[in-house]
Amino acid sequence: DIQMTQSPSPLSASVGDRVTITCQASQDINTSLNWYQQKPEKAPNLLIFDASTLETGVPSRFSGSGSATDFTFTISSLQPEDIATYYCQQYDSLPPSFGQGTKLEIK
Amino acid sequence: EVHLVESGGGLVQPGGSLRLSCAASGFTFSTYVMSWVRQAPGRGLEWVSTISGSGVTTYYADSVKGRFAISRDNSKNTLYLQMNSLRAEDTAVYYCAKENLYRIRVFDYWGQGTLVTVSS
Repeated sequence: DIQMTQSPSPLSASVGDRVTITCQASQDINTSLNWYQQKPEKAPNLLIFDASTLETGVPSRFSGSGSATDFTFTISSLQPEDIATYYCQQYDSLPPSFGQGTKLEIK
Repeated sequence: EVHLVESGGGLVQPGGSLRLSCAASGFTFSTYVMSWVRQAPGRGLEWVSTISGSGVTTYYADSVKGRFAISRDNSKNTLYLQMNSLRAEDTAVYYCAKENLYRIRVFDYWGQGTLVTVSS
């Protein structure tokens, strides 16, 4: 099974800051990586697939990059509504696996 | 607009059974692969099971294999998860999720979740 490791967690930042989360896969997954946002008591919401493709309707301040085993998720200018937990997920092979999550807090 | 609505959660004793349902609307249900993903209280996301659009092919996490059964009724646009021999560690919110048509295991829509609590 492929293990996904996210860092940091938690992450504290101020409104307007550039925020970066990293995700590392235990083996090469090409670009088969998603990023989800989960707000408290809500279901996860797909933000990015194929490592860097923004889902329809997702604000352009969100972006993703990377391939093989190392991936990055960035919020260019943190907004108050971005407070949530963010998860990476590989879909290269079964079972699909998630990172442990990065809880983003306002400083 | 895609809607997924789970039901059937509740409190069950260890060793007991429960059947979850997920009513789908807003898309051609039979075309899409569907999955269940769970989240234990205060914990991360864990994939549970997946079923093909026709219902012929199924996949399970090792942690539930032999105890859970995924199925679907395409005439009713409904996804199911039969959970048997439940354990305390199965306590979680269970989400049904629709997979992207062109990218399997990309979960592009999720229901609101239903809470399953396994406790005596």
